[in-house]
Amino acid sequence: GDSVTQMEGPVTLSEEAFLTINCTYTATGYPSLFWYVQYPGEGLQLLLKATKADDKGSNKGFEATYRKETTSFHLEKGSVQVSDSAVYFCALSGQQGAQKLVFGQGTRLTINP
Amino acid sequence: DSGVTQTPKHLITATGQRVTLRCSPRSGDLSVYWYQQSLDQGLQFLIQYYNGEERAKGNILERFSAQQFPDLHSELNLSSLELGDSALYFCASSVDPDTRSTPLHFGNGTRLTVT
Repeated sequence: GDSVTQMEGPVTLSEEAFLTINCTYTATGYPSLFWYVQYPGEGLQLLLKATKADDKGSNKGFEATYRKETTSFHLEKGSVQVSDSAVYFCALSGQQGAQKLVFGQGTRLTINP
Repeated sequence: DSGVTQTPKHLITATGQRVTLRCSPRSGDLSVYWYQQSLDQGLQFLIQYYNGEERAKGNILERFSAQQFPDLHSELNLSSLELGDSALYFCASSVDPDTRSTPLHFGNGTRLTVT
C-alpha cells in the first residue's frame, strides 16, 4: 500500500540556518504530495502541495519539488525563523483521492534564536 | 482559522466509559474525516463520511463508531475506553473527496485522557 517516510526528528537549528526535511514515498500511479505543519496546540495546516512530477510547491519561504524519479518531496527553507518551530508532516493522496491521505510520522523542528 | 470546529477541546474520563467527540466541518465541505494522533502511532486515519454516508474506513476499532448528520456535523463515539485510547483526535473536512489534489482542513483537535 501507499506509504510515506520522513526523516526522524527532532531537528534543532539556529535562526537563519538552511532547513531540509527529507520525505520519500511509495505509491502506485501519480499521487499528489503535501506538506502539513502543526504548531503547538493547533491542528494541521496545509503548508504546500504538488500534484504532478516536477511541480514545485511553495509557501511562506518553504519549497518542495515533486521528484518522481527518486520518489521524494523534500521540504526546504533557506533561512528559518523561531516562528517556524513546529511539527512537519509529509503526506500523499493516492488513487482513492483525499480519503486515502497517508501521513509520514512527522518531524519536530525547533529553531533557537 | 481552518473553519473546522471541534468540541470539546479536552476530555478526561475513566477506563470503561464512553465519550462523544463533535466536529463541524468548514462551510461548504461535504466530507468529514477523523484521525487519531498518538505519540507512538503518529497520525492514523479512522473513518470518512461524505454527505451523511460512510465512505472509507481506516484503522478504527470496533469500540469506536461515527456518524455524519444531515446538517453535516459529525460525531465520533468512543466506548469501553482503555488507557491506550488516550490521544488527540482530529477532525478534518474537504470539499471534494474524489480529487487527489484536494487538501484537508483540520480542526484543533480534542485531547482525550483516559485515567
